[in-house]
Amino acid sequence: NAGVTQTPKFRILKIGQSMTLQCTQDMNHNYMYWYRQDPGMGLKLIYYSVGAGITDKGEVPNGYNVSRSTTEDFPLRLELAAPSQTSVYFCASRSTVEDTQYFGPGTRLTVL
Amino acid sequence: GENVEQHPSTLSVQEGDSAVIKCTYSDSASNYFPWYKQELGKRPQLIIDIRSNVGEKKDQRIAVTLNKTAKHFSLHITETQPEDSAVYFCAASMSWGGATNKLIFGTGTLLAVQP
Repeated sequence: NAGVTQTPKFRILKIGQSMTLQCTQDMNHNYMYWYRQDPGMGLKLIYYSVGAGITDKGEVPNGYNVSRSTTEDFPLRLELAAPSQTSVYFCASRSTVEDTQYFGPGTRLTVL
Repeated sequence: GENVEQHPSTLSVQEGDSAVIKCTYSDSASNYFPWYKQELGKRPQLIIDIRSNVGEKKDQRIAVTLNKTAKHFSLHITETQPEDSAVYFCAASMSWGGATNKLIFGTGTLLAVQP
């Protein structure tokens, strides 16, 4: 049971490039979340999903897109990367019967 | 929407002393309040949580108190140890049944325990 996994661990992008951050969980959790954490700050919710095929915006969705075609995977897409998207991105998941969110190890993204 | 304020932003204590971190929230409908610990370069990990129908919860050296009227909740760590050094985040959300539990986080407290 690997829990929540994320790839890649690190990435450097040039302004205007695009990429997909991968998130997979093997706990059969319905709820999945994407957060970003800027230096010295708390986590901000980007998008979340309550199940396959259902996604919704969080606090800071601009510049990002998500999809949820399976229960296990919740990829985050960055189109036209900007320096303001330099951050650490965390994926999390939880079941429907408990409130605890389990976080992945994070992806550190730098946009230059 | 919900807003969570957390203070202090940094806290330095001597080993063995107690540490208290406080958070206030704005949405009276929030009913779930977790605390996360994040060590440098690591993922956030839940250390304790409390629901609005409970005023206090303890787990060994860690306790959380909740004052619904004042809309604030606090983390108490007793007999601090160097391994308690980390950033601590509070959060608030509405969570019941199948609700989405969108966590709104505070800005974090860097706790340094001096040996």
